[in-house]
Amino acid sequence: GQNIDQPTEMTATEGAIVQINCTYQTSGFNGLFWYQQHAGEAPTFLSYNVLDGLEEKGRFSSFLSRSKGYSYLLLKELQMKDSASYLCAVRDNAAGNTGKLIFGQGTTLQVKP
Amino acid sequence: GAVVSQHPSRVICKSGTSVKIECRSLDFQATTMFWYRQFPKQSLMLMATSNEGSKATYEQGVEKDKFLINHASLTLSTLTVTSAHPEDSSFYICSANQWGGPSSYEQYFGPGTRLTVT
Repeated sequence: GQNIDQPTEMTATEGAIVQINCTYQTSGFNGLFWYQQHAGEAPTFLSYNVLDGLEEKGRFSSFLSRSKGYSYLLLKELQMKDSASYLCAVRDNAAGNTGKLIFGQGTTLQVKP
Repeated sequence: GAVVSQHPSRVICKSGTSVKIECRSLDFQATTMFWYRQFPKQSLMLMATSNEGSKATYEQGVEKDKFLINHASLTLSTLTVTSAHPEDSSFYICSANQWGGPSSYEQYFGPGTRLTVT
C-alpha cells in the first residue's frame, strides 16, 4: 500500500535549525516534494528530490535516500514566518498512475521567539 | 512562473444544491489537472485526476457521480459537487502540471476554494 509518515507537530526556536523527517512506502517513485502551507492557503513548492543526496536552496535544504525510503527537510535560521505546515509528497509513477502526488499528513511547525 | 487560478475562492450553498468550482492554468497548457480535498488540520487528499478530453480517474472511495469533473480544454477543469451536504464542507484545491516546461516535474497549486454547505 501507499504510506507516507511524518511527525504531526514540531516546535523550534527562532534562529535555530529544525529537521522534519519523512519516510515513505509507495508502489512507484518518481520524485519527492516538500511543500509549505499556511493555514487557509494553498501549498507552495519548496523542493524536489529525485536522486539521492542533498538539495540546497537558501535557508531550506532537502535530502533523499531512495534505498531507505527517507527524506528530510532542513530549515536554517528559523524565522517566525516559517510557522506553517510542511507537507511531504511522493510522485507515484506506478503502472496505471498519472504521476499523481501522494501526501503525508503534514508536520505543523511552530516557531517560538 | 506558472499560475493556476480557482474560482470562486469561497462559496456558501444550501444543502441539496450543486456547486461548480473552476480551475484554470493561466499561462500554460495542462493536459492533466488534479483535484484535492483538505479537511481542517489534515493533509491533502487526492480526489481525482482530470485528463483533458477524457474521463477523470477517481481515487478509491470518491463518488464519481457526486463529484463531477470536466476537463474540456487544456486550460480549464471544473469540479461540480452535486447535491451538496454539510459533510462536503471542505477546502478544495486543484493543481496542474506544466508538462514540457522548464519545471515539468513541478505541480502548481491553485489558491483553493472554501466550500461551506449549510
